[in-house]
Amino acid sequence: NAGVTQTPKFRILKIGQSMTLQCTQDMNHNYMYWYRQDPGMGLKLIYYSVGAGITDKGEVPNGYNVSRSTTEDFPLRLELAAPSQTSVYFCASSYTKQGLNTEAFFGQGTRLTVV
Amino acid sequence: QKEVEQDPGPLSVPEGAIVSLNCTYSNSAFQYFMWYRQYSRKGPELLMYTYSSGNKEDGRFTAQVDKSSKYISLFIRDSQPSDSATYLCAMSPGAGSYQLTFGKGTKLSVIP
Repeated sequence: NAGVTQTPKFRILKIGQSMTLQCTQDMNHNYMYWYRQDPGMGLKLIYYSVGAGITDKGEVPNGYNVSRSTTEDFPLRLELAAPSQTSVYFCASSYTKQGLNTEAFFGQGTRLTVV
Repeated sequence: QKEVEQDPGPLSVPEGAIVSLNCTYSNSAFQYFMWYRQYSRKGPELLMYTYSSGNKEDGRFTAQVDKSSKYISLFIRDSQPSDSATYLCAMSPGAGSYQLTFGKGTKLSVIP
């Protein structure tokens, strides 16, 4: 049971390039999330998904896209990378129990630098 | 006023000290309150999860929620060097809600 796995761990992108951050979970959780964490700024929600085929915007969605074709995978796509997207990106998952959302399990993060 | 306020520290204490970490919030709809611990270059991991006002204890950790004051606390007793990490408070509006609002985190160092 690996939990939430993110790849890659590190990446340097040039301005205008695009890339996909991969996230997969093996806990059969229905909810999945992408957060970004900037130094001293806490975590901000980018996108979330309540199940396969359903996604919605979080607090800071501009410049990103997501898809959720399976329960396990929730990739985050960056189009036209900008220096403002330099950050640490965390994927997380959770499930509901008797209608209540439970704890979010986080991946190890992807450190992205846009130069 | 930001929804969740948390003193970023850094906070440095000697081993064995009692540590108090705090967050204030402005949204009275928050019902679920969490504390996450994040070691350097790692993802956050859940420490404590509480619903509504009151105290919850788990080993050396005690989480306290005062909804009337919109104030939550995490106490660490007999602090250890292994407790050195950033502590993030997080909260969400209610049952079935899944959008967490995080504080900025407090960086704690426990000196041997």
